Amino acid sequence: DAKTTQPTSMDCAEGRAANLPCNHSTISGNEYVYWYRQIHSQGPQYIIHGLKNNETNEMASLIITEDRKSSTLILPHATLRDTAVYYCIVRVVDRNTPLVFGKGTRLSVIA
Amino acid sequence: DVKVTQSSRYLVKRTGEKVFLECVQDMDHENMFWYRQDPGLGLRLIYFSYDVKMKEKGDIPEGYSVSREKKERFSLILESASTNQTSMYLCASPATNTGELFFGEGSRLTVL
Repeated sequence: DAKTTQPTSMDCAEGRAANLPCNHSTISGNEYVYWYRQIHSQGPQYIIHGLKNNETNEMASLIITEDRKSSTLILPHATLRDTAVYYCIVRVVDRNTPLVFGKGTRLSVIA
Repeated sequence: DVKVTQSSRYLVKRTGEKVFLECVQDMDHENMFWYRQDPGLGLRLIYFSYDVKMKEKGDIPEGYSVSREKKERFSLILESASTNQTSMYLCASPATNTGELFFGEGSRLTVL
C-alpha cells in the first residue's frame, strides 16, 4: 500500500466545515483512497472512499485532486461528536490485502 | 445491525495465562483481520485470514497465533500472555466488492 501523510492534529469550530488533508504522492492507478475515523475507545468506522472522482455521502465529502496525489475529507458542519482520529488510507480493492493504518489526524471540534 | 462481534470488551489476565479472543462476523465475508492498537503506535496488523483454515502473518505476529475453523469466526490466541501484550485488540472484516472494513468494538486486554 502507498503511504499517506496527514497532519497530526487539527481544531475546528462547531458548525464550521472541517477540512482534513491527506497526501498520497506515490498512489498507484488502481489504488483507492479510503477514510476512516475512530472515536475514543471504539473500533474504527468507515466514512467514505473514492478512486478519482469526488464522492459525497451522508457523512462527508471526499475531494481528490486531478493528479490523485492528495485528497481532502470534508465534514460540512462539524459537531462535537465528530471529535475523533481520522485515518486516510490508500489501497487496492483486493480482498487479500489488509488495510495499513498510519497515525491519522486527531480532529478536535470545539464549541 | 451488528456485523462484527468481539466476545469480550474487557479482560484481565495474568502473565503466562492462555488467552482466547473471539471474533464473529455475520456478513459471510472471506477475509478477517486482527489488529492491536497502542498509544502512539496506531493500528498494527497481527494476523489475517482469507479463507477457512488459511492464515497469514501480519506485521507483528510474534507471541500470537490464530484459528479459523469456520468462515464466520476468527480467534486470536495468546499462548502465554505477557505484560507487553496489554493492548486494545480489534477484529475487522472487509466487504468483498468495496473493500470497506467493518470493525468490532474492540477487546481491551490487561495482562498483570
